[in-house]
Amino acid sequence: NAGVTQTPKFQVLKTGQSMTLQCAQDMNHNSMYWYRQDPGMGLRLIYYSASEGTTDKGEVPNGYNVSRLNKREFSLRLESAAPSQTSVYFCASSDLGEGMNTEAFFGQGTRLTVV
Amino acid sequence: AQSVSQHNHHVILSEAASLELGCNYSYGGTVNLFWYVQYPGQHLQLLLKYFSGDPLVKGIKGFEAEFIKSKFSFNLRKPSVQWSDTAEYFCAVLLTGGGNKLTFGTGTQLKVEL
Repeated sequence: NAGVTQTPKFQVLKTGQSMTLQCAQDMNHNSMYWYRQDPGMGLRLIYYSASEGTTDKGEVPNGYNVSRLNKREFSLRLESAAPSQTSVYFCASSDLGEGMNTEAFFGQGTRLTVV
Repeated sequence: AQSVSQHNHHVILSEAASLELGCNYSYGGTVNLFWYVQYPGQHLQLLLKYFSGDPLVKGIKGFEAEFIKSKFSFNLRKPSVQWSDTAEYFCAVLLTGGGNKLTFGTGTQLKVEL
């Protein structure tokens, strides 16, 4: 049981290049999230998907797109990478909801550097 | 928009000292509340959570937190910290009925000295 799996773990891009970060979960969760983590700024929500077929913007969506391919997979795409997108990216999944005794589970993270 | 505030950005304590980390949120509706911990080089792990019932919740490794609805707060406490508690701590709020949007605070870096 792998939980939440992110690929790749590390990536270096040149400014203007594009790439897709992959995320898959095997816990049959409905909700999935993409965050970026920067020093002193905590985790900021980029996009989330409350259920298969839906996606919503978070706090910092500019420069990113997402696809909820199916219930298991939620990918994050950078169309034209910029140095400001250098960060550690985390994917998470959950079945959170009112009164539900659950938690969000996180992947190991992707360290992205844009030069 | 909902927001989560963690007032202590860096905390340095000696072993055996008591810990309290503040967390406040701004939202008037029903929330679920969490504290996560991130050890150096690792991903986030759940410390404890509140979703209903007793506002004093106990988590792993001797941590506890109290939900005070009137103060919009969910402070994390530990009576006696250990060197191994050195990590970054994040408070998070789930807006129930808000599309399952999970928002994190900016984090508190805790260093415990021997």
